[in-house]
Amino acid sequence: ELKVEQNPLFLSMQEGKNYTIYCNYSTTSDRLYWYRQDPGKSLESLFVLLSNGAVKQEGRLMASLDTKARLSTLHITAAVHDLSATYFCAVDHSGGSNYKLTFGKGTLLTVNP
Amino acid sequence: NAGVMQNPRHLVRRRGQEARLRCSPMKGHSHVYWYRQLPEEGLKFMVYLQKENIIDESGMPKERFSAEFPKEGPSILRIQQVVRGDSAAYFCASSTSGFYNEQFFGPGTRLTVL
Repeated sequence: ELKVEQNPLFLSMQEGKNYTIYCNYSTTSDRLYWYRQDPGKSLESLFVLLSNGAVKQEGRLMASLDTKARLSTLHITAAVHDLSATYFCAVDHSGGSNYKLTFGKGTLLTVNP
Repeated sequence: NAGVMQNPRHLVRRRGQEARLRCSPMKGHSHVYWYRQLPEEGLKFMVYLQKENIIDESGMPKERFSAEFPKEGPSILRIQQVVRGDSAAYFCASSTSGFYNEQFFGPGTRLTVL
């Protein structure tokens, strides 16, 4: 059974600081996704990582993927209040059922002024 | 282009009642997925549907839960005789095809069973 673990689950940080969210998964997968969710809102797709060594950046967020270690990181640079949200990583199942996403529990990020 | 629509956004039911959750996919999307998020947990896959077909329902509880995606109209997730353990957020997602295609999520329906 594919398992996805995120840590930390709760993260409180000050504006201007850097931090990293980690996402480990248990079996081979084809794609890894990062989503953002604001309270009461949809999940917004941030990144799709396809291959080993993939790195993508958007603004203050950078995601990377190490398929050998089965690890993805979401790095936050110089955090601002607007980044406060819950961040999920999700992994698809390789092979014929790769439409099926398995999610981590999410990381609730609070950025304090 | 409207995103994935779900209604109602909040639904309160008493034990034993039925709950019907609706999902309208994005325009041009013919593949729909339902996920459930229990408190303190991540989203869990329930079912994958195409128009008039259930492709994979491996994540659906064996009893009381059913899903459909008719030729016309929204996809519906139906929960009969709800119990308190059904209280959760139910998310719908859609995509243009089932494989290697990004899923776009709706805002979810928060179901509370009293």
